[in-house]
Amino acid sequence: SAVISQKPSRDICQRGTSLTIQCQVDSQVTMMFWYRQQPGQSLTLIATANQGSEATYESGFVIDKFPISRPNLTFSTLTVSNMSPEDSSIYLCSVTTGADYTFGSGTRLTVV
Amino acid sequence: TQLLEQSPQFLSIQEGENLTVYCNSSSVFSSLQWYRQEPGEGPVLLVTVVTGGEVKKLKRLTFQFGDARKDSSLHITAAQPGDTGLYLCAGEGNSGYALNFGKGTSLLVTP
Repeated sequence: SAVISQKPSRDICQRGTSLTIQCQVDSQVTMMFWYRQQPGQSLTLIATANQGSEATYESGFVIDKFPISRPNLTFSTLTVSNMSPEDSSIYLCSVTTGADYTFGSGTRLTVV
Repeated sequence: TQLLEQSPQFLSIQEGENLTVYCNSSSVFSSLQWYRQEPGEGPVLLVTVVTGGEVKKLKRLTFQFGDARKDSSLHITAAQPGDTGLYLCAGEGNSGYALNFGKGTSLLVTP
């Protein structure tokens, strides 16, 4: 299975600012995904990040709010822009090699 | 979006008891996966079931995929405090690679 390094693990941010979350994978993967998870709850897919093309966003999520970069097959970033307290959540990246799925350890974001 | 209904949402039991978690959908999935997640960590894959009617065992955990590939169950025998965590079922739909997750079952096993 792929190994993912996700940073930062947690942050406390002021409303109106932006935070960029990074995920580095130890192998080349085609598909990368970004999820949001409220503490103790399930995961909601934000977008699918493909290398060389625009990310595909799920209903309720837009590029202006959650811009994603995927410069190569081992790295992706998710930015949470113009944050409000409602953005407080855990954000996770995930990859699949086709055989299985691996998740980063998550970024716990608190917006004050 | 293919929805997965997971039950129960919360479960608190004593060590040694048995439990079953259910994952149901009106949609057919090419495969279903079960994950366990601990606080501060990402979900960790427990098992993937692919074939309708399939049963897989992982030590004290038994996973079953429904014949119609619309539902799955996770049964834990003689639960231990180390089984405490959030259990999530997830399905890979037929049209894409992203996983759809159930709402999760938060399990607490007390000594």
